[in-house]
Amino acid sequence: NAGVMQNPRHLVRRRGQEARLRCSPMKGHSHVYWYRQLPEEGLKFMVYLQKENIIDESGMPKERFSAEFPKEGPSILRIQQVVRGDSAAYFCASSPGRGGPSTDTQYFGPGTRLTVL
Amino acid sequence: AQKVTQAQTEISVVEKEDVTLDCVYETRDTTYYLFWYKQPPSGELVFLIRRNSFDEQNEISGRYSWNFQKSTSSFNFTITASQVVDSAVYFCALSDPGGSYIPTFGRGTSLIVHP
Repeated sequence: NAGVMQNPRHLVRRRGQEARLRCSPMKGHSHVYWYRQLPEEGLKFMVYLQKENIIDESGMPKERFSAEFPKEGPSILRIQQVVRGDSAAYFCASSPGRGGPSTDTQYFGPGTRLTVL
Repeated sequence: AQKVTQAQTEISVVEKEDVTLDCVYETRDTTYYLFWYKQPPSGELVFLIRRNSFDEQNEISGRYSWNFQKSTSSFNFTITASQVVDSAVYFCALSDPGGSYIPTFGRGTSLIVHP
């Protein structure tokens, strides 16, 4: 039973380029969450998605960042025109969605480490 | 608004010592969930435990135990007879309806177990 998959594990971009981070939830999970972890800090919530819907994006910067979770395929976190401050580890988590965040436990992927040169 | 404080930034112990990681939380809600996650050097986050606010029973799982004290708003984590493989960053998290149940994480405690 595969866990949450994220790719790539490491991503290097130059300032101004685009970064695309992918997340495949655990089998049977329909809810996806994205978090950002800055060096020596805890995880900060960015966005919560269900299939084809953004439920809560209160933690995501208004500009340059977007997320989607299409009907088919992985969830994508997209960062346009990256800047050095975007360098961080980005974690995806998934949950079954039977009860929503109130009763679901989130299971995390291995993370994508983004480095912006 | 909810808040999770892990006051210990780094703890260093020698193998076989017992170690307790502290977690203090703040919430105005009576219904909430508390979590502990482990992040080993490889980087992934491993779920360890979830407790709801109505269940104050302490829990033991092998060498791990958790002490939930509502009176002091604490959810401490103890590792008995620590091992080198326990070296990791441990995160405590809280979710409650005030935050739409999206977990708020503490800053983590880095545990280093020396052989």
